[in-house]
Amino acid sequence: AAGVIQSPRHLIKEKRETATLKCYPIPRHDTVYWYQQGPGQDPQFLISFYEKMQSDKGSIPDRFSAQQFSDYHSELNMSSLELGDSALYFCASSLGARVLRAEAFFGQGTRLTVV
Amino acid sequence: KQEVTQIPAALSVPEGENLVLNCSFTDSAIYNLQWFRQDPGKGLTSLLLIQSSQREQTSGRLNASLDKSSGRSTLYIAASQPGDSATYLCAVRGNSGGSNYKLTFGKGTLLTVNP
Repeated sequence: AAGVIQSPRHLIKEKRETATLKCYPIPRHDTVYWYQQGPGQDPQFLISFYEKMQSDKGSIPDRFSAQQFSDYHSELNMSSLELGDSALYFCASSLGARVLRAEAFFGQGTRLTVV
Repeated sequence: KQEVTQIPAALSVPEGENLVLNCSFTDSAIYNLQWFRQDPGKGLTSLLLIQSSQREQTSGRLNASLDKSSGRSTLYIAASQPGDSATYLCAVRGNSGGSNYKLTFGKGTLLTVNP
């Protein structure tokens, strides 16, 4: 079965650079979530989209932005990268508002290292 | 604000033992609760999903229960194996305050099953 696809799997950037993380949800899933997991930490919610509109916002820095496109894939854009942005970034998808009890499925994550 | 707590933070058991992981949440207004497994540096694998109207779910050697009114869930692992060693995360999907989409995670229980 198709799963959530994230790219790239690994990314190394220097401070003050920009990075773009991509997420391709499971087919027919209309909701995408982004999470950040620092070393030894639990996943922290950043932002979510339902039907290409932002549906919820968490602890996403102003330096980050995200959007969901017409084909439901999503991109997380990160600018002015800081050392503290080094983390594992997860994307998850589910069927959203129509099926609020739906299960969320996570991708394998993108490991971002800022040097 | 929803808060999820997992006890214990770490657990080490000999192979073959039955064990229980605990999860508690402060806001009982949830749609569902998911248990995930995470291997070091890897993605989140969904183990069990319990809807708010359900009391338990079973999958193989795993059984998860939910007491929504008291804000508690347990994950029971029968006949543990070394391959069960991982971090187990509990997450709830709330339906209050307009945040209908995000999952709130606990900090996880690091399980080590010794051969």
